[in-house]
Amino acid sequence: DAKTTQPTSMDCAEGRAANLPCNHSTISGNEYVYWYRQIHSQGPQYIIHGLKNNETNEMASLIITEDRKSSTLILPHATLRDTAVYYCIVRVPILSGGSNYKLTFGKGTLLTVNP
Amino acid sequence: GAVVSQHPSRVICKSGTSVKIECRSLDFQATTMFWYRQFPKQSLMLMATSNEGSKATYEQGVEKDKFLINHASLTLSTLTVTSAHPEDSSFYICSARTYTGELFFGEGSRLTVL
Repeated sequence: DAKTTQPTSMDCAEGRAANLPCNHSTISGNEYVYWYRQIHSQGPQYIIHGLKNNETNEMASLIITEDRKSSTLILPHATLRDTAVYYCIVRVPILSGGSNYKLTFGKGTLLTVNP
Repeated sequence: GAVVSQHPSRVICKSGTSVKIECRSLDFQATTMFWYRQFPKQSLMLMATSNEGSKATYEQGVEKDKFLINHASLTLSTLTVTSAHPEDSSFYICSARTYTGELFFGEGSRLTVL
């Protein structure tokens, strides 16, 4: 399984952009990068995912390097409610050539947004 | 987004009893559901993959006879913790995969075994 490496924790000032890095140097060509976040004692919440192009949605932007060995999740204007553990995950196929997959979580980054 | 519901959200039981946790996809059909366990201040650990109408696939180190998983319909999977002990106390989370490949998580179920 492709492993990911994230900083244990980060701080960000409210209203500023939060940039969360992730290294996935062993990623394969057909493996997607997913980002989820988990607020204390709740289930994980989907944020965004991508393969090789940069992606943007209403929650965040995902920047993937050209060699796909690392990515950065950007929350453009962090709020106090964005304080959570952010997980960068490489989607691993369950069956070769199939569309079924599983998500294996690493330790994630605890993002604390400060007033 | 799609909704995945777990029930109960909290359960307390005596040591030696069995506890069933339900995971339902409320507005979509899920051919695959996943069960995770999370201990305090740790990440989610995948326990098993559950496919509708077939036996679950368990991750290495997870006892299939202790954690019984049933996925009888496209909207319901259940996890039964049999003969629960205090060390089984944990936060259990399910997720359900849509036909288009998106994965949504439930709110989690906190089990406390006395």
